[in-house]
Amino acid sequence: NAGVTQTPKFQVLKTGQSMTLQCAQDMNHEYMSWYRQDPGMGLRLIHYSVGAGITDQGEVPNGYNVSRSTTEDFPLRLLSAAPSQTSVYFCASSYSSGGREDYGYTFGSGTRLTVV
Amino acid sequence: DQQVKQNSPSLSVQEGRISILNCDYTNSMFDYFLWYKKYPAEGPTFLISISSIKDKNEDGRFTVFLNKSAKHLSLHIVPSQPGDSAVYFCAATPILRNYGQNFVFGPGTRLSVLP
Repeated sequence: NAGVTQTPKFQVLKTGQSMTLQCAQDMNHEYMSWYRQDPGMGLRLIHYSVGAGITDQGEVPNGYNVSRSTTEDFPLRLLSAAPSQTSVYFCASSYSSGGREDYGYTFGSGTRLTVV
Repeated sequence: DQQVKQNSPSLSVQEGRISILNCDYTNSMFDYFLWYKKYPAEGPTFLISISSIKDKNEDGRFTVFLNKSAKHLSLHIVPSQPGDSAVYFCAATPILRNYGQNFVFGPGTRLSVLP
């Protein structure tokens, strides 16, 4: 089924460990982004990309790295996990060209990360 | 300081009645707004949008109203159904660009529709 695929769905890390959250979309969307969801705070933007080879920081980028080598994939790397990074992470994609009536995102189903 | 606020963390409504979810924003540059619905263990899904050139947009049982002078929008669901029970996020972005949009999300309102 077309959409945004995130792996893994659940992950437990120890403080200081590193890992990569995977995100792939098959809709040929140019725009991709990573959000984290925390109670009472909504979804906060971590990093985003407007196309292959182009990335930029969002509201809460510290502790995370991204790269965009292909249109389809947008992995999120945690360099040295901290308990403050315990959260639910969502990857999203959308068309970036103008002229569309609907600029909404398609979200993946999320990765629940716990750092102990 | 949150730029998009949803001051009601939760709302309970009887099936068949109207649900009204509210959203306030502080950034006068916001020009395009969306509502997302989220079920547990799933990603948010797009529900309805509105741009600042309109004050109302309808899609079936869902209507979004925008009051730019008050920096306020609301989502009306009529009639409410048990399947509407979910968390609803309001999101906003400045004037649309040609190369993708970064949306600012509110904290969400959990709607419970009681049979």
